[in-house]
Amino acid sequence: QKEVEQNSGPLSVPEGAIASLNCTYSDRGSQSFFWYRQYSGKSPELIMFIYSNGDKEDGRFTAQLNKASQYVSLLIRDSQPSDSATYLCAAENAGGTSYGKLTFGQGTILTVHP
Amino acid sequence: SAVISQKPSRDICQRGTSLTIQCQVDSQVTMMFWYRQQPGQSLTLIATANQGSEATYESGFVIDKFPISRPNLTFSTLTVSNMSPEDSSIYLCSVQSGKAFFGQGTRLTVV
Repeated sequence: QKEVEQNSGPLSVPEGAIASLNCTYSDRGSQSFFWYRQYSGKSPELIMFIYSNGDKEDGRFTAQLNKASQYVSLLIRDSQPSDSATYLCAAENAGGTSYGKLTFGQGTILTVHP
Repeated sequence: SAVISQKPSRDICQRGTSLTIQCQVDSQVTMMFWYRQQPGQSLTLIATANQGSEATYESGFVIDKFPISRPNLTFSTLTVSNMSPEDSSIYLCSVQSGKAFFGQGTRLTVV
């Protein structure tokens, strides 16, 4: 069974700090990884995606992927109260009939306090 | 990115009834997906809606309970049939356009 596990939360950080969100996956065939932000009562919003080992930076967000360790992370620098949300990690195995299907982790609730 | 319109945005339904949720995309896409998010939980894939063929359901989901239509490359519907309170969830339509994007969701409450 394909599983995606996220570090248990909730995670609370002060404004301006770095928030670190972690995710592991069990399916070695997973090729693409996504981080979604979900505000309460809203649908998930894609904030980062990563396909290759290493780091990918976009503004205050950095996604890190280590396929050997089956590990994905999201760093949020200079955290703001508006970053307070649930963050969902998702993996896609794009092979065969699995193309486009995402397996989600349980989510990590992040709270950034002033 | 694809723009996805989903409706209704929310509904309160009586048990035993059915609700059809519509998903409209602003561009043609090959694959559309339906997810469910139960209260306090993450997203679980219900099925893949294929244009021109029957939907493909994930383990634990069946066509009789969640019939899906995909009449063209921009539109799909999901019906939640014979509803019970356990069906109270957010239902989300998603498309793959390089990356997966979601509609705004339908918050369903069954009473």
